[in-house]
Amino acid sequence: GENVEQHPSTLSVQEGDSAVIKCTYSDSASNYFPWYKQELGKGPQLIIDIRSNVGEKKDQRIAVTLNKTAKHFSLHITETQPEDSAVYFCAASPGTASKLTFGTGTRLQVTL
Amino acid sequence: NAGVMQNPRHLVRRRGQEARLRCSPMKGHSHVYWYRQLPEEGLKFMVYLQKENIIDESGMPKERFSAEFPKEGPSILRIQQVVRGDSAAYFCASSPPSGGLLVGLFFGPGTRLTVL
Repeated sequence: GENVEQHPSTLSVQEGDSAVIKCTYSDSASNYFPWYKQELGKGPQLIIDIRSNVGEKKDQRIAVTLNKTAKHFSLHITETQPEDSAVYFCAASPGTASKLTFGTGTRLQVTL
Repeated sequence: NAGVMQNPRHLVRRRGQEARLRCSPMKGHSHVYWYRQLPEEGLKFMVYLQKENIIDESGMPKERFSAEFPKEGPSILRIQQVVRGDSAAYFCASSPPSGGLLVGLFFGPGTRLTVL
């Protein structure tokens, strides 16, 4: 089955700096890669996703890149703000949302 | 437009009791998924249901766990004879009839089950 590894497990950045979270996956059949943000005591919230037919997608301060050859994808957050502090999860799927395999999460802390 | 609703938000059970977790999908969504999150871990897929149908239960433990999504009413995840290892956050997600491929999954706030 699919295995998703996520790094780093914790990340601390100063407000205004950029944050990068990286994930690798094992199943070459995976073609859907969402990113979720989870705040304390809440459910995961979809923030951006990318499909295997594109290499990069951007939404305001958030961007995701995908390298299918190397089987890795990354989340980039620019101009970080304190409200970006949360746990971020990457996930991969072979094409159906029911088979999402999640990474173990990155706890991002944005300090003033 | 209300999001995915789950209740209760917190549930405490003693070993051997039953736990019933409820999930109402977003309006217009007919697909429901249940995921489990252990402390400091990612979410693990349990089961995928459509109305009156279990589509994929490959992540569900073979014993004590069951799920349903009746024609009327919320989806129910039922855990019989709970053990301490069942303590976790259980998240429900829903997607529209496209099956979730196009717009992703939308998660509820979760039910935090504690087994004493």
